[in-house]
Amino acid sequence: QSALTQLRSVSGSPGQSVTISCTGTGSDVGGYNYVSWYQQHPGKAPKLMIYDVNKRPSGVPDRFSGSKSDNTASLTISGLQGEDEADYFCCSYAGKFTNYVFGTGTKVTVL
Amino acid sequence: EVQLVESGGALVQPGGSLRVSCVASGFSFSRYWMSWVRQAPGKGLEWVANIKQDGSEKNYVDSVKGRFTISRDNAKDSLYLQMNSLRAEDTAVYFCAKYRDFCFDYWGQGTLVTVSS
Repeated sequence: QSALTQLRSVSGSPGQSVTISCTGTGSDVGGYNYVSWYQQHPGKAPKLMIYDVNKRPSGVPDRFSGSKSDNTASLTISGLQGEDEADYFCCSYAGKFTNYVFGTGTKVTVL
Repeated sequence: EVQLVESGGALVQPGGSLRVSCVASGFSFSRYWMSWVRQAPGKGLEWVANIKQDGSEKNYVDSVKGRFTISRDNAKDSLYLQMNSLRAEDTAVYFCAKYRDFCFDYWGQGTLVTVSS
């Protein structure tokens, strides 16, 4: 099972919006509404930001939102802040035998 | 507060074995599936294995099947990963993660496993 495809990096100025895409196949992203997104600062543990495509865990700012269309999921960060500078990984359930596939990761830089 | 603390990472020679552990606190450990996820240096995340609440069901990524074994001790709130026949490509930080509803909602800080001669 190949990793989900993400752009290596995106950037934006404080207050702007950025969107990170995550492309898979009909066997993972397109086949299930079980896409999650994780934020990881350097040397730190990943943190769950979005689950079930577009749900936010308690404590995650509403600046973070998720969506999906066909085989591509997206994470949008609105009103970009300095603390949002981190790596972001998507993840999708891929069925009983493959289980889970993560994305290649996107580095978000706040200019 | 949910806490997951991994330990046991080390430098191991190719072909060697190692067991990493994770102690959980702040939630009812026995009620949840648990997982191991790894991250090679400078690379992305890779799901490795998961285990059902009572240990009766276990799943593995193809690259570790037959070499790694996930287990748990609910009396000790602990999760384990026994790794045998280690290869250079197994070098990674191994994260323990609490699993809930098709996502990983809490993660430990990770423990580094280096496979090298």
